[in-house]
Amino acid sequence: GQQVMQIPQYQHVQEGEDFTTYCNSSTTLSNIQWYKQRPGGHPVFLIQLVKSGEVKKQKRLTFQFGEAKKNSSLHITATQTTDVGTYFCAGPRRPNNNDMRFGAGTRLTVKP
Amino acid sequence: DTGVSQNPRHKITKRGQNVTFRCDPISEHNRLYWYRQTLGQGPEFLTYFQNEAQLEKSRLLSDRFSAERPKGSFSTLEIQRTEQGDSAMYLCASSYGTGAGGSYEQYFGPGTRLTVT
Repeated sequence: GQQVMQIPQYQHVQEGEDFTTYCNSSTTLSNIQWYKQRPGGHPVFLIQLVKSGEVKKQKRLTFQFGEAKKNSSLHITATQTTDVGTYFCAGPRRPNNNDMRFGAGTRLTVKP
Repeated sequence: DTGVSQNPRHKITKRGQNVTFRCDPISEHNRLYWYRQTLGQGPEFLTYFQNEAQLEKSRLLSDRFSAERPKGSFSTLEIQRTEQGDSAMYLCASSYGTGAGGSYEQYFGPGTRLTVT
């Protein structure tokens, strides 16, 4: 079945450094979503990417969807302590359906 | 607060007991999802409702699990004859979507943490 893999599993950075997490799917995705979960919190939606090669920015966050729609990345420029949390990507198991498969997440810690 | 709410927030039960969780979605949302999350993992899809119809169900949802959304508003998730392996955070999410398909932004509730002893 479809697998959604994320790397790295953990990332520890110094405040001000950049951070990137990568998401890879075993199948082509109709779309991909990114969520952030703070420690002790619940997942919060960040963005959805739909088009091949799409790039979207939210302040210091840059999201990319690969040309083949099988991979995606989230890049944070100049991390801040408020960026701490686990970042998940999620893609539908079947095209445009609601059975979202989440990756295991990348846990980001930021040292002030 | 107009977000997704879940009750109870914590539940401790003995193996073999039945438990029921409730989710109240954002009021205008027609779609409701249940997920299970264990430590260090992402949420695992369990089931999905559009209005009162249960449209999708994961193979993870054994016959001990049942979910309902009787009036297309709140939902309940019941686990019968709980096992220690059922210990997890049970998350509910809701979204608004038109049509039968499509992936939409999901709003998650705070979850119900289940501990089976």
